[in-house]
Amino acid sequence: KNEVEQSPQNLTAQEGEFITINCSYSVGISALHWLQQHPGGGIVSLFMLSSGKKKHGRLIATINIQEKHSSLHITASHPRDSAVYICALTSGTYKYIFGTGTRLKVLA
Amino acid sequence: EPEVTQTPSHQVTQMGQEVILRCVPISNHLYFYWYRQILGQKVEFLVSFYNNEISEKSEIFDDQFSVERPDGSNFTLKIRSTKLEDSAMYFCASSPDENYGYTFGSGTRLTVV
Repeated sequence: KNEVEQSPQNLTAQEGEFITINCSYSVGISALHWLQQHPGGGIVSLFMLSSGKKKHGRLIATINIQEKHSSLHITASHPRDSAVYICALTSGTYKYIFGTGTRLKVLA
Repeated sequence: EPEVTQTPSHQVTQMGQEVILRCVPISNHLYFYWYRQILGQKVEFLVSFYNNEISEKSEIFDDQFSVERPDGSNFTLKIRSTKLEDSAMYFCASSPDENYGYTFGSGTRLTVV
């Protein structure tokens, strides 16, 4: 069983829609990270969470430590949000444990 | 905004050849990492490096791989004798300490033919 599971694997939305991507994990964590991977391959760090909720622009990330679950929300989605969104964990060591990613496509 | 710089962006090499992938981490960062992503698969940890030594490595990071910080700025990943299955995108990352998220480089796409 993967330590990090993401859902859905693929998501297509219309511009303006509210989007939720989920991440569940099975290990104790130091922190949970949401990353964005662009079509060209580059990876950008969006959020690092150890509790509660963080907001940056149209992006909101939440985490429930007891339920071992995190969500990434995108409000008023736009075609430029199209990317792969990756949940990754740090769990007692420096390394990230990556999820398989959610491929998001936002249609105009 | 400070960046992690990786060179080259794309490298094609013959099977059995040695390759060196180069990274310039952010200047005040102390922790350095290499990850790889085989096409269509998830990103996998290779190695972490702190205080001029490897702090952790994965099963992937066998004797064919080595890392070095030859001077105060560069961080390199060497693959001694490349195999077809080493074809992947290789990402370098750095962080100021273990409690901070990483800054990733834009990756080097290695193609072994």
